[in-house]
Amino acid sequence: GAVVSQHPSWVICKSGTSVKIECRSLDFQATTMFWYRQFPKQSLMLMATSNEGSKATYEQGVEKDKFLINHASLTLSTLTVTSAHPEDSSFYICSAPPGGSSTDTQYFGPGTRLTVL
Amino acid sequence: GESVGLHLPTLSVQEGDNSIINCAYSNSASDYFIWYKQESGKGPQFIIDIRSNMDKRQGQRVTVLLNKTVKHLSLQIAATQPGDSAVYFCAEKNPAGGTSYGKLTFGQGTILTVHP
Repeated sequence: GAVVSQHPSWVICKSGTSVKIECRSLDFQATTMFWYRQFPKQSLMLMATSNEGSKATYEQGVEKDKFLINHASLTLSTLTVTSAHPEDSSFYICSAPPGGSSTDTQYFGPGTRLTVL
Repeated sequence: GESVGLHLPTLSVQEGDNSIINCAYSNSASDYFIWYKQESGKGPQFIIDIRSNMDKRQGQRVTVLLNKTVKHLSLQIAATQPGDSAVYFCAEKNPAGGTSYGKLTFGQGTILTVHP
């Protein structure tokens, strides 16, 4: 299957700082990528859809000014958590469907564990 | 809609037994469904998928059953092994059209524990 990577795999930061998480499709081009957040023992919650060359679309209740998404190329999307606070501590996971959003199957990255002190 | 589970259902089985994990989905218009396996600290891993024009699909040691009448999915794992221990999520894909095209909605998940 298609491979999606994330970097870093984990990060610890101080409250008030910003953290950037990268999502890369390694062997395919992804015009669309999705960002999810997962709290312990809970399901994945879609945060936003990242679109190459255009603005991301955010799910209801997700602050676009806090979670900045940039999809600058066909293989890279970044999620920046700005002014992070302890409640932002979570497991952030990206996914990408090879061929764009019309493709059914989505492949997930390994996730990034964010801990805000 | 989105699913938030505060306490995931659990299923404990003995090695070698067959496991059945169930999922209720929300949108009767969904046309594509996927089962994912998630191990601790890792991202979801694709297991098997099924389209809405099918009732059953088999893979290696896994079978997915779809009952559209009651909006129910099940994942059957044959001869369950300790390495199958993980959280299993079903996901439905929103149908074409509208702003939700291409998005997946995840079920709450089930924790499978396989005892040697």
